[in-house]
Amino acid sequence: KNQVEQSPQSLIILEGKNCTLQCNYTVSPFSNLRWYKQDTGRGPVSLTIMTFSENTKSNGRYTATLDADTKQSSLHITASQLSDSASYICVVSPTGTASKLTFGTGTRLQVTL
Amino acid sequence: DTAVSQTPKYLVTQMGNDKSIKCEQNLGHDTMYWYKQDSKKFLKIMFSYNNKELIINETVPNRFSPKSPDKAHLNLHINSLELGDSAVYFCASSQGGTRSEQFFGPGTRLTVL
Repeated sequence: KNQVEQSPQSLIILEGKNCTLQCNYTVSPFSNLRWYKQDTGRGPVSLTIMTFSENTKSNGRYTATLDADTKQSSLHITASQLSDSASYICVVSPTGTASKLTFGTGTRLQVTL
Repeated sequence: DTAVSQTPKYLVTQMGNDKSIKCEQNLGHDTMYWYKQDSKKFLKIMFSYNNKELIINETVPNRFSPKSPDKAHLNLHINSLELGDSAVYFCASSQGGTRSEQFFGPGTRLTVL
């Protein structure tokens, strides 16, 4: 069964600090891995998409890494801001044009003063 | 604004009623989706249409019926609403199948009393 597990479940950090969120998956074969940010009361917004051949991808202060051998990904947030408070969801897409995405349960990040 | 829009944003109704949620995208995408996000914030795909053709039909009760009148619209009709249908429903769209980046709507919060 395809699964995506994220850790930690929730995280509180001080503004300006860095943090790293983890994602482990069992989906195989897989086409790509995505990280989404979901603000409270809004739809998810894509941060990065990585294919199995990519090791890292950045989007501003967000940097995602991927190790396809160990089936692990991480999302590193640099110099956190209050607006980074949100849920971060790891999503893995199997191969196939009609494949179903497998969503993780997310990490709830809270950035405080 | 180019986006994925949903109406209504909030829907409160009695058990047993029939209701519809509408979704429109003006991004020119060929694939649209309906997702359900439960109280634990877990996103699960329900349906996907590619060029008005149903390509993903997850195991959902047949009380849920999607309808795609054209590529830009995907509506969700729910018959005989039950308490367990209470959730946030997200519409999304993408270009080039399910492996492509998906753009989500703002969500419709359905509450069944």
